[in-house]
Amino acid sequence: ETGVTQTPRHLVMGMTNKKSLKCEQHLGHNAMYWYKQSAKKPLELMFVYSLEERVENNSVPSRFSPECPNSSHLFLHLHTLQPEDSALYLCASSQLTGTGWNTIYFGEGSWLTVV
Amino acid sequence: GENVEQHPSTLSVQEGDSAVIKCTYSDSASNYFPWYKQELGKRPQLIIDIRSNVGEKKDQRIAVTLNKTAKHFSLHITETQPEDSAVYFCAASSSSASKIIFGSGTRLSIRP
Repeated sequence: ETGVTQTPRHLVMGMTNKKSLKCEQHLGHNAMYWYKQSAKKPLELMFVYSLEERVENNSVPSRFSPECPNSSHLFLHLHTLQPEDSALYLCASSQLTGTGWNTIYFGEGSWLTVV
Repeated sequence: GENVEQHPSTLSVQEGDSAVIKCTYSDSASNYFPWYKQELGKRPQLIIDIRSNVGEKKDQRIAVTLNKTAKHFSLHITETQPEDSAVYFCAASSSSASKIIFGSGTRLSIRP
């Protein structure tokens, strides 16, 4: 299944590093999402992009910076992270039709470890 | 704000028995209720969904029921099998929102 692909699958970074997570969707959807999954909060919404505009930002610290250059690509830029940011980061996409029938398709996730 | 509560957080059932997971939602405008299954080390995947104009939907051993008045919806798995062991997430969304709200998940274990 290649609907939503994420790279890298695993990332280890120091607290002073700058890295990026990449997501690409091949489903022709008009919305993309970043979720954080950890033991404390199983599926925590971070950002939503609809038609390449950010429409949701759930009080995420500025050390996480999203970028959506087009409807198929989504990035999460990471800098000066903390150990508590270690988690699985899931990208997702959906087709927003205005009906509310919003099926989310997830990528495999990027496992991030901050040391 | 919008909220989806899910219970129980963990559930262990004997193979062959039924499992029920319950969710409540706060936004009365919610009109779509999907359920996702996440196996260990894998991505969450949609297993069944229900729209607000329907009270019940079945797909083989899986069924979902919706009570709009009480703002409750539930997932029912009958004749459970080892491959049903996973974390299950309920969710709710509405036409006015660009996001979907997930419950906190239920870890289901099937005992042999």
